[in-house]
Amino acid sequence: KQEVTQIPAALSVPEGENLVLNCSFTDSAIYNLQWFRQDPGKGLTSLLLIQSSQREQTSGRLNASLDKSSGRSTLYIAASQPGDSATYLCAVRPIFKAAGNKLTFGGGTRVLVKP
Amino acid sequence: EAGVAQSPRYKIIEKRQSVAFWCNPISGHATLYWYQQILGQGPKLLIQFQNNGVVDDSQLPKDRFSAERLKGVDSTLKIQPAKLEDSAVYLCASSLGHRSNQPQHFGDGTRLSIL
Repeated sequence: KQEVTQIPAALSVPEGENLVLNCSFTDSAIYNLQWFRQDPGKGLTSLLLIQSSQREQTSGRLNASLDKSSGRSTLYIAASQPGDSATYLCAVRPIFKAAGNKLTFGGGTRVLVKP
Repeated sequence: EAGVAQSPRYKIIEKRQSVAFWCNPISGHATLYWYQQILGQGPKLLIQFQNNGVVDDSQLPKDRFSAERLKGVDSTLKIQPAKLEDSAVYLCASSLGHRSNQPQHFGDGTRLSIL
């Protein structure tokens, strides 16, 4: 059974500092890994999706890396801003067709960027 | 395009009462998902529909939870009777299909509080 863990559960940084968020998963047989952002009272917004064959994916200030063999992904947010304050979730999709499009989520990291 | 619509946004009931949530997916999306997100945790898949058929309901507490997707469009999730541990945000998501490369789009959720 796939288990996804995110440590730390909460993180507070001053504005301008780089953010490093960690995600680990127990079963390396994944199709892809996805990072989401969740604002209070809102649904999930997709940030980055990394295919299992990729090592990293970038979008603006965001960069996500994937090391499938060690079961780890890291989300980097450069030069953090107060608007980056949110909960960040990672999720993995299984490689097996029978499992379809099922996402297994980590518990999330709650980020606070102080002005 | 219009996103995934959910209603109500908030619901407060007493334990042992019943409650129902409604979800309207993005037009043309064949696959619909219901997730339960307990405070401080990541979303957990309850049930996945492909058109009006159930693909995965392995984590749905069937003694009290039920869901349907008549006509393969809108869906309702019902809890009867509710327990204190059902307090959570119920998220609905949809995707074009059930293949692993198709992104899920999330609604803003229904926040359920059980007194």
